[in-house]
Amino acid sequence: DAGVIQSPRHEVTEMGQEVTLRCKPISGHNSLFWYRQTMMRGLELLIYFNNNVPIDDSGMPEDRFSAKMPNASFSTLKIQPSEPRDSAVYFCASTTSYQPQHFGDGTRLSIL
Amino acid sequence: KNEVEQSPQNLTAQEGEFITINCSYSVGISALHWLQQHPGGGIVSLFMLSSGKKKHGRLIATINIQEKHSSLHITASHPRDSAVYICAVNTYSGGGADGLTFGKGTHLIIQP
Repeated sequence: DAGVIQSPRHEVTEMGQEVTLRCKPISGHNSLFWYRQTMMRGLELLIYFNNNVPIDDSGMPEDRFSAKMPNASFSTLKIQPSEPRDSAVYFCASTTSYQPQHFGDGTRLSIL
Repeated sequence: KNEVEQSPQNLTAQEGEFITINCSYSVGISALHWLQQHPGGGIVSLFMLSSGKKKHGRLIATINIQEKHSSLHITASHPRDSAVYICAVNTYSGGGADGLTFGKGTHLIIQP
């Protein structure tokens, strides 16, 4: 059974560029989460979806960040324009109600 | 004040020792999670609990809802247990999944 799949695994880009992170949740899971991990702040929830509908985006840091879930098997997190302080590891996770969350391997993002 | 506090932040022990990591939270929760993050960065769910005690191999997790406190125990610790252990909570109890609020993690090193 495939786990949560994130792409790319690593991304290095210059400040000002658009960055798109992708996530494929586990089949059958109806909740999807985007988290960010930094040395300073640890793990933080950015946004989550239930049944493809965004439920809570209060963790999205700025209007430069946006997330979509067009169908049950795909989600994107976009940063436009990117800034050096966006450098972090971004995790996607999925689950069904009252079950543990399954995490992808993360995308390590570096903005130069 | 963080909603989820872990102690200790760092712990170094000898192989075979009994390990205890503590987690206190200040909000109402529907569930508490213990996660493991290895140096490679992947995050794995160890336990999800809302009451009592769970055991999996050499790992035991307990929770006291009244005291808002949970502990993760490792018996007969081994160098392969070296990792960051993260406590996280779900705060929404209206049904359906919701995002996690994380502690800062406990960096555990087990020396041979």
